[in-house]
Amino acid sequence: EIVLTQSPATLSLSPGERATLSCRASQSVSSYLAWYQQKPGQAPRLLIYDASNRATGIPARFSGSGSGTDFTLTISSLEPEDFAVYYCQQRSNWPSTTFGPGTKVDIK
Amino acid sequence: QLQLQESGPGLVKPSETLSLTCTVSGGSISSSSYYWGWIRQPPGKGLEWIGSIYYSGSTYYNPSLKSRVTISVDTSKNQFSLKLSSVTAADTAVYYCARRSVITYYFDYWGQGTLVTVSS
Repeated sequence: EIVLTQSPATLSLSPGERATLSCRASQSVSSYLAWYQQKPGQAPRLLIYDASNRATGIPARFSGSGSGTDFTLTISSLEPEDFAVYYCQQRSNWPSTTFGPGTKVDIK
Repeated sequence: QLQLQESGPGLVKPSETLSLTCTVSGGSISSSSYYWGWIRQPPGKGLEWIGSIYYSGSTYYNPSLKSRVTISVDTSKNQFSLKLSSVTAADTAVYYCARRSVITYYFDYWGQGTLVTVSS
Protein backbone atom coordinates (compact mmCIF):
# COMPACT_ATOMS: atom_id res chain seq x y z
CA GLU A 1 0.00 0.00 0.00
CA ILE A 2 1.21 3.48 -0.83
CA VAL A 3 1.32 5.60 2.32
CA LEU A 4 0.93 9.37 2.18
CA THR A 5 2.25 11.65 4.91
CA GLN A 6 1.29 15.30 5.21
CA SER A 7 3.08 18.12 6.94
CA PRO A 8 2.62 20.08 9.01
CA ALA A 9 -0.30 18.58 10.88
CA THR A 10 -1.53 22.08 11.67
CA LEU A 11 -0.67 25.37 10.01
CA SER A 12 -1.64 28.57 11.84
CA LEU A 13 -1.79 31.58 9.55
CA SER A 14 -3.59 34.89 9.14
CA PRO A 15 -5.86 35.90 6.26
CA GLY A 16 -3.81 37.22 3.37
CA GLU A 17 -0.81 35.03 4.18
CA ARG A 18 0.60 32.33 1.91
CA ALA A 19 0.00 28.70 2.86
CA THR A 20 2.33 25.90 1.79
CA LEU A 21 1.21 22.34 2.50
CA SER A 22 3.29 19.23 1.85
CA CYS A 23 2.36 15.67 0.89
CA ARG A 24 4.96 12.91 0.61
CA ALA A 25 4.37 9.42 -0.82
CA SER A 26 6.11 6.25 0.35
CA GLN A 27 6.90 5.45 -3.29
CA SER A 28 6.58 7.27 -6.56
CA VAL A 29 3.01 8.07 -7.62
CA SER A 30 4.12 9.93 -10.76
CA SER A 31 1.74 12.91 -11.03
CA TYR A 32 -1.30 10.96 -9.87
CA LEU A 33 -2.05 13.05 -6.82
CA ALA A 34 -5.04 15.18 -5.84
CA TRP A 35 -5.82 17.67 -3.11
CA TYR A 36 -9.16 18.07 -1.34
CA GLN A 37 -10.51 20.70 1.04
CA GLN A 38 -12.87 19.72 3.86
CA LYS A 39 -14.76 22.10 6.12
CA PRO A 40 -16.45 20.98 9.35
CA GLY A 41 -19.61 18.99 8.71
CA GLN A 42 -19.06 18.97 4.95
CA ALA A 43 -17.85 16.45 2.40
CA PRO A 44 -14.40 16.91 0.87
CA ARG A 45 -14.16 19.08 -2.25
CA LEU A 46 -11.74 18.33 -5.06
CA LEU A 47 -9.30 21.22 -5.54
CA ILE A 48 -6.38 19.91 -7.59
CA TYR A 49 -5.96 16.73 -9.64
CA ASP A 50 -2.95 15.15 -11.30
CA ALA A 51 -0.69 17.27 -9.08
CA SER A 52 -1.24 20.63 -10.75
CA ASN A 53 -4.62 20.86 -12.48
CA ARG A 54 -7.31 22.92 -10.81
CA ALA A 55 -10.74 21.31 -10.67
CA THR A 56 -13.75 23.08 -12.10
CA GLY A 57 -14.60 26.29 -10.26
CA ILE A 58 -11.52 26.34 -8.04
CA PRO A 59 -10.00 29.82 -7.60
CA ALA A 60 -6.59 30.58 -9.05
CA ARG A 61 -5.11 31.21 -5.58
CA PHE A 62 -4.94 27.42 -5.22
CA SER A 63 -2.04 25.77 -7.02
CA GLY A 64 -0.35 22.40 -6.88
CA SER A 65 3.08 21.19 -7.83
CA GLY A 66 5.35 18.18 -7.57
CA SER A 67 5.85 14.71 -8.97
CA GLY A 68 7.21 11.38 -7.86
CA THR A 69 7.08 11.41 -4.07
CA ASP A 70 6.94 15.09 -3.07
CA PHE A 71 4.00 17.39 -3.64
CA THR A 72 2.95 20.85 -2.54
CA LEU A 73 -0.37 22.66 -2.33
CA THR A 74 -0.01 26.43 -2.22
CA ILE A 75 -2.70 28.94 -1.33
CA SER A 76 -1.26 32.25 -2.45
CA SER A 77 -3.29 34.52 -0.19
CA LEU A 78 -5.61 32.99 2.39
CA GLU A 79 -9.25 34.01 2.31
CA PRO A 80 -11.45 33.52 5.40
CA GLU A 81 -13.22 30.60 3.69
CA ASP A 82 -9.91 28.76 3.14
CA PHE A 83 -9.46 27.78 6.78
CA ALA A 84 -10.16 24.06 6.64
CA VAL A 85 -8.52 20.64 6.53
CA TYR A 86 -6.68 19.63 3.37
CA TYR A 87 -6.12 16.04 2.26
CA CYS A 88 -3.95 14.62 -0.47
CA GLN A 89 -4.94 11.46 -2.36
CA GLN A 90 -2.98 9.22 -4.71
CA ARG A 91 -4.42 7.03 -7.44
CA SER A 92 -1.26 5.64 -9.04
CA ASN A 93 -2.16 2.05 -8.16
CA TRP A 94 -5.64 2.23 -9.68
CA PRO A 95 -8.20 1.05 -8.73
CA SER A 96 -6.84 1.31 -5.20
CA THR A 97 -6.39 4.73 -3.73
CA THR A 98 -5.19 6.16 -0.43
CA PHE A 99 -5.50 9.47 1.36
CA GLY A 100 -3.08 11.36 3.55
CA PRO A 101 -3.90 12.15 7.20
CA GLY A 102 -4.64 15.80 6.50
CA THR A 103 -3.29 19.26 7.32
CA LYS A 104 -5.47 21.66 9.25
CA VAL A 105 -5.12 25.31 8.30
CA ASP A 106 -6.43 27.41 11.15
CA ILE A 107 -6.57 31.09 11.95
CA LYS A 108 -3.62 32.49 13.86
CA GLN B 1 -26.84 19.51 -10.97
CA LEU B 2 -25.65 16.09 -9.86
CA GLN B 3 -26.59 15.09 -6.34
CA LEU B 4 -25.71 12.02 -4.29
CA GLN B 5 -27.61 11.12 -1.14
CA GLU B 6 -26.69 8.41 1.35
CA SER B 7 -29.42 6.62 3.30
CA GLY B 8 -29.56 3.82 5.83
CA PRO B 9 -29.58 3.06 9.56
CA GLY B 10 -27.55 5.34 11.78
CA LEU B 11 -27.02 2.66 14.41
CA VAL B 12 -25.80 -0.88 13.86
CA LYS B 13 -25.07 -3.52 16.49
CA PRO B 14 -21.62 -5.15 16.72
CA SER B 15 -21.23 -8.28 14.55
CA GLU B 16 -24.15 -7.24 12.34
CA THR B 17 -24.10 -5.94 8.76
CA LEU B 18 -24.03 -2.25 7.91
CA SER B 19 -26.14 -1.43 4.85
CA LEU B 20 -26.22 1.91 3.04
CA THR B 21 -27.65 3.11 -0.26
CA CYS B 22 -26.59 6.05 -2.38
CA THR B 23 -29.21 7.59 -4.64
CA VAL B 24 -27.93 9.56 -7.60
CA SER B 25 -30.03 12.36 -9.06
CA GLY B 26 -29.35 14.84 -11.84
CA GLY B 27 -27.34 12.32 -13.79
CA SER B 28 -27.29 8.66 -14.84
CA ILE B 29 -25.44 6.02 -12.89
CA SER B 30 -25.22 4.09 -16.16
CA SER B 31 -22.83 6.59 -17.70
CA SER B 32 -19.67 4.97 -19.00
CA SER B 33 -17.69 7.99 -17.82
CA TYR B 34 -17.83 7.31 -14.09
CA TYR B 35 -17.25 4.88 -11.30
CA TRP B 36 -19.20 5.16 -8.06
CA GLY B 37 -17.55 4.73 -4.70
CA TRP B 38 -17.77 4.65 -0.93
CA ILE B 39 -15.35 6.44 1.40
CA ARG B 40 -15.55 6.61 5.18
CA GLN B 41 -14.19 8.92 7.86
CA PRO B 42 -14.08 7.95 11.55
CA PRO B 43 -14.91 10.87 13.85
CA GLY B 44 -12.01 13.31 13.96
CA LYS B 45 -9.90 11.20 11.62
CA GLY B 46 -8.93 10.95 7.97
CA LEU B 47 -10.50 9.43 4.87
CA GLU B 48 -10.47 5.76 3.88
CA TRP B 49 -11.55 4.42 0.49
CA ILE B 50 -13.84 1.42 0.86
CA GLY B 51 -14.49 0.46 -2.73
CA SER B 52 -15.89 1.41 -6.12
CA ILE B 53 -18.29 0.00 -8.70
CA TYR B 54 -18.89 0.54 -12.41
CA TYR B 55 -22.42 0.56 -13.87
CA SER B 56 -21.68 -2.84 -15.41
CA GLY B 57 -21.25 -4.27 -11.92
CA SER B 58 -17.45 -4.50 -11.88
CA THR B 59 -16.24 -3.91 -8.34
CA TYR B 60 -12.97 -2.85 -6.72
CA TYR B 61 -12.39 -3.05 -2.99
CA ASN B 62 -9.85 -1.81 -0.47
CA PRO B 63 -7.75 -4.92 0.29
CA SER B 64 -7.98 -4.22 4.02
CA LEU B 65 -11.79 -4.43 3.93
CA LYS B 66 -12.33 -6.77 1.00
CA SER B 67 -13.38 -9.79 3.04
CA ARG B 68 -16.27 -7.85 4.61
CA VAL B 69 -17.43 -5.52 1.82
CA THR B 70 -19.99 -5.91 -0.94
CA ILE B 71 -20.91 -3.05 -3.28
CA SER B 72 -23.75 -3.44 -5.76
CA VAL B 73 -25.54 -1.26 -8.30
CA ASP B 74 -29.18 -0.96 -9.32
CA THR B 75 -29.29 0.99 -12.56
CA SER B 76 -33.09 0.90 -12.70
CA LYS B 77 -33.23 2.91 -9.48
CA ASN B 78 -30.07 4.97 -10.16
CA GLN B 79 -28.63 3.68 -6.89
CA PHE B 80 -25.64 1.81 -5.58
CA SER B 81 -25.26 0.16 -2.22
CA LEU B 82 -22.72 -0.82 0.41
CA LYS B 83 -22.80 -3.78 2.76
CA LEU B 84 -20.13 -4.17 5.44
CA SER B 85 -20.38 -7.32 7.51
CA SER B 86 -19.24 -8.23 11.02
CA VAL B 87 -18.96 -4.62 12.11
CA THR B 88 -17.17 -3.47 15.25
CA ALA B 89 -16.82 -0.11 16.98
CA ALA B 90 -13.88 0.59 14.65
CA ASP B 91 -16.37 0.83 11.77
CA THR B 92 -18.08 3.83 13.35
CA ALA B 93 -17.66 6.62 10.82
CA VAL B 94 -19.27 9.07 8.47
CA TYR B 95 -19.84 7.16 5.24
CA TYR B 96 -19.72 9.10 1.98
CA CYS B 97 -20.74 8.04 -1.49
CA ALA B 98 -18.96 9.75 -4.36
CA ARG B 99 -18.47 9.80 -8.12
CA ARG B 100 -15.11 8.94 -9.61
CA SER B 101 -14.30 10.05 -13.14
CA VAL B 102 -12.78 7.52 -15.58
CA ILE B 103 -10.76 10.40 -17.00
CA THR B 104 -9.15 11.77 -13.86
CA TYR B 105 -9.90 8.86 -11.48
CA TYR B 106 -10.53 11.25 -8.60
CA PHE B 107 -13.74 11.87 -6.62
CA ASP B 108 -15.39 14.95 -8.08
CA TYR B 109 -18.88 14.78 -6.56
CA TRP B 110 -19.69 13.66 -3.03
CA GLY B 111 -22.79 13.03 -0.98
CA GLN B 112 -23.21 14.90 2.29
CA GLY B 113 -22.26 11.81 4.29
CA THR B 114 -24.12 9.81 6.90
CA LEU B 115 -22.90 8.90 10.37
CA VAL B 116 -23.10 5.23 11.25
CA THR B 117 -22.45 4.27 14.84
CA VAL B 118 -21.69 0.70 15.84
CA SER B 119 -22.92 0.10 19.35
CA SER B 120 -25.06 -2.33 21.29
